[in-house]
Amino acid sequence: GAGVSQSPSNKVTEKGKDVELRCDPISGHTALYWYRQSLGQGLEFLIYFQGNSAPDKSGLPSDRFSAERTGGSVSTLTIQRTQQEDSAVYLCASSFRGRGTYNEQFFGPGTRLTVL
Amino acid sequence: AQSVTQPDIHITVSEGASLELRCNYSYGATPYLFWYVQSPGQGLQLLLKYFSGDTLVQGIKGFEAEFKRSQSSFNLRKPSVHWSDAAEYFCAVGALNVGNNRKLIWGLGTSLAVNP
Repeated sequence: GAGVSQSPSNKVTEKGKDVELRCDPISGHTALYWYRQSLGQGLEFLIYFQGNSAPDKSGLPSDRFSAERTGGSVSTLTIQRTQQEDSAVYLCASSFRGRGTYNEQFFGPGTRLTVL
Repeated sequence: AQSVTQPDIHITVSEGASLELRCNYSYGATPYLFWYVQSPGQGLQLLLKYFSGDTLVQGIKGFEAEFKRSQSSFNLRKPSVHWSDAAEYFCAVGALNVGNNRKLIWGLGTSLAVNP
């Protein structure tokens, strides 16, 4: 079966532009996570979706960042008015279920964002 | 607050030598602990996890880890390293947050190089 896919794999943009990053989770996975990995850093949690529940947005670094998940499947992370400090690899992960127990998170290959 | 510390930023070992990667956590309750590996150009992959029970857990690729509550540690070990083990290794602890949603708190990673 297909794993988690992300697009684009690389994105170069100019400061001030908006970008959209896409994540296709594994079919049937109800939980979806976005993380940011900066050079030499660990993973920084951004946002978490679980089924139809309100998303946990506690990790979003500013109001320039937003995400949505349509139909409980595909998710889009949007960064408005990008800044150079937004340059990082953005990772998406999905798991079968997020509530009540921990389940393995399956990660996509990531989108490398470079803001010039 | 929950936290994960990986004291070694970079480790180099010779092929065939034994390996131990350290992980210390801070958590107020029984933690859920994970080790992930990120190989060059690859997505993050789960090596092993500890939820409860036997404190010595076996994972994929010949790795194992031991949960030591008294030391708040979950060190990763392998008796004989292969060149293909060169990668970035991340320790993570499962945490509760708002609304009973769950997310992982990540260490900054340990970069492993393997000499032939």
